[in-house]
Amino acid sequence: GAGVSQTPSNKVTEKGKYVELRCDPISGHTALYWYRQSLGQGPEFLIYFQGTGAADDSGLPNDRFFAVRPEGSVSTLKIQRTERGDSAMYLCASSLSAGIRANVLTFGAGSRLTVL
Amino acid sequence: KQEVTQIPAALSVPEGENLVLNCSFTDSAIYNLQWFRQDPGKGLTSLLLIQSSQREQTSGRLNASLDKSSGRSTLYIAASQPGDSATYLCAASNDYKLSFGAGTTVTVRA
Repeated sequence: GAGVSQTPSNKVTEKGKYVELRCDPISGHTALYWYRQSLGQGPEFLIYFQGTGAADDSGLPNDRFFAVRPEGSVSTLKIQRTERGDSAMYLCASSLSAGIRANVLTFGAGSRLTVL
Repeated sequence: KQEVTQIPAALSVPEGENLVLNCSFTDSAIYNLQWFRQDPGKGLTSLLLIQSSQREQTSGRLNASLDKSSGRSTLYIAASQPGDSATYLCAASNDYKLSFGAGTTVTVRA
């Protein structure tokens, strides 16, 4: 597609529920990233995919968070047993490649998660 | 760990005034420095990317400078307009990972 698409744009759930957030990157972009942005803060790195594999998942806060990218395109961020502290904007970005100096990331509009 | 700080946190100016937004980072071994714009409740729009070997980049009314040795970048917006009202974020890139500041929220009064 023309840009990075994220769905849903807004998700309200109850504490303890399971949530999936989807990211559809720009066609041909091999690198995909997830960031989390709490209110009033800058985005924080969660995970980076190069192709199908998670090259760096060091930013995932705990084992309730998991992300997949089975075919090297669409990615899903999965959150189990949601907690109120998980409430944030979840941003996805993609780029042609990664680890190069002129690497420009294109961000999606984000998925706003609210855990009641 | 890369730490990025943006000062001021908020700025309000009358239309037509020039804007100066500051960004500092602790680890000078960066690949590049990027500036983004974020409208309320929205995603990020890339404005400018300065590679580590460059001193500045310009796009229209926007100019960004980079001083790697002192760990600073500055975004200048000339002749501000109400449509420039948004939050501006800088991000330092170490390989594939971006480290963001908390942003400067700009209000341009008509």
